[in-house]
Amino acid sequence: EVQLLESGGGLVQPGGSLRLSCAASGFTFSSFAMSWVRQAPGKGLEWVSTIRGSDGATYYADSVKGRFTISRDNSKTTLYLQVHSLRADDTAVYYCAKIRAPRSGFDYWGQGTLVTVSS
Amino acid sequence: QSALTQPASVSGSPGQSITISCTGASSDVGGYDYVSWYQQHPGNAPKLMIYDVSNRPSGVSNRFSGSKSGNTASLTISGLQAEDEADYYCSSFSSSSSRVFGGGTKLTVL
Repeated sequence: EVQLLESGGGLVQPGGSLRLSCAASGFTFSSFAMSWVRQAPGKGLEWVSTIRGSDGATYYADSVKGRFTISRDNSKTTLYLQVHSLRADDTAVYYCAKIRAPRSGFDYWGQGTLVTVSS
Repeated sequence: QSALTQPASVSGSPGQSITISCTGASSDVGGYDYVSWYQQHPGNAPKLMIYDVSNRPSGVSNRFSGSKSGNTASLTISGLQAEDEADYYCSSFSSSSSRVFGGGTKLTVL
């Protein structure tokens, strides 16, 4: 059974940093691209970043480029999102999601971790 | 990376069919056969309902179907049931290997 378990969210002041983690199990982690998707309170889904499994290539939404860094540790089957220079509009539930095949949809999602940016 | 356009809300009675549209551009929906649809109930994570325009994951009811014409994709739900009431999001692979979501559609089963 595929499981994705996010952690690391919390309350942070504007300009602060956090590292989100997503522990994966139930599939060959290194073989699949993974993404972070966020959802602000009462709003829709927003793609944040993707990292490929094969070569670790990374991609970012314009809204987070230069402030967020996605990475993975295949030996620990864990996905990370390092977030810096946080702003109020980064407040959201952050989901990690497994990509079922290159370019295809997100077939498994974690339950999310809430990041709140506020002074 | 402009969001895909979905209607804010749709509604239907039990047993009826509804269709949710998702309009993008040639750089996303129109350029790739990699549109997916997600169902999200309040407080829950999204669930994949359709991938690659028209494919259903194992376990998803065949009442859900997807299609695409040009820059617009569609999700059709037939035989509406109360449990289908949820938010629905489309998503597409996009140029530069990015992803884009629609703004979401709230489905109300009357």
